[in-house]
Amino acid sequence: DAKTTQPPSMDCAEGRAANLPCNHSTISGNEYVYWYRQIHSQGPQYIIHGLKNNETNEMASLIITEDRKSSTLILPHATLRDTAVYYCIVSLRQAAGNKLTFGGGTRVLVKP
Amino acid sequence: EAGVAQSPRYKIIEKRQSVAFWCNPISGHATLYWYQQILGQGPKLLIQFQNNGVVDDSQLPKDRFSAERLKGVDSTLKIQPAKLEDSAVYLCASSFSFTTGPPRAFFGQGTRLTVV
Repeated sequence: DAKTTQPPSMDCAEGRAANLPCNHSTISGNEYVYWYRQIHSQGPQYIIHGLKNNETNEMASLIITEDRKSSTLILPHATLRDTAVYYCIVSLRQAAGNKLTFGGGTRVLVKP
Repeated sequence: EAGVAQSPRYKIIEKRQSVAFWCNPISGHATLYWYQQILGQGPKLLIQFQNNGVVDDSQLPKDRFSAERLKGVDSTLKIQPAKLEDSAVYLCASSFSFTTGPPRAFFGQGTRLTVV
């Protein structure tokens, strides 16, 4: 699976949009981009995933560049409960289930 | 829907003792994962099952760790004998396989193991 690079930490003001970047320059054509987050003392939680097109759900938006070498997770109106470590993962979808390889993630602190 | 259940939540053992963790995945999920998460690091995949078969156990320290998934449902992860460096949170996750549903993994709360 392709490796991802994320900034180790970032701060965000409550109520503002949080834009989390991820580089995955070695991604292959059939690998998906997944985002999970982990709130303190909990297991990781799925946020969103995409292949080529931008995606949006009730939690966030995912913007993938045309060359697919990077992506951005957007939390449109960050709240204090969005404080967490956010993981960007690149993974093949396969019959035996995705192989989810976590890196260090980005530690996001939402400040009042 | 019911989530991924893990037990126990916490365990403290002495080094060289053995310990077992239990995981009950979401009903219908064919894929089951065990991860080890050391404090301050991202989760590290130990083993991945598809039904009751092993898909990937390349990072499982097989001299001391073992896992099984009998009948393709519940799973247990065992450590024998434990070392100090095994202190971590052990996370279980499950998902549909690619062919049967959306490829999102659901994680349990984890078991926090302290080896003293």
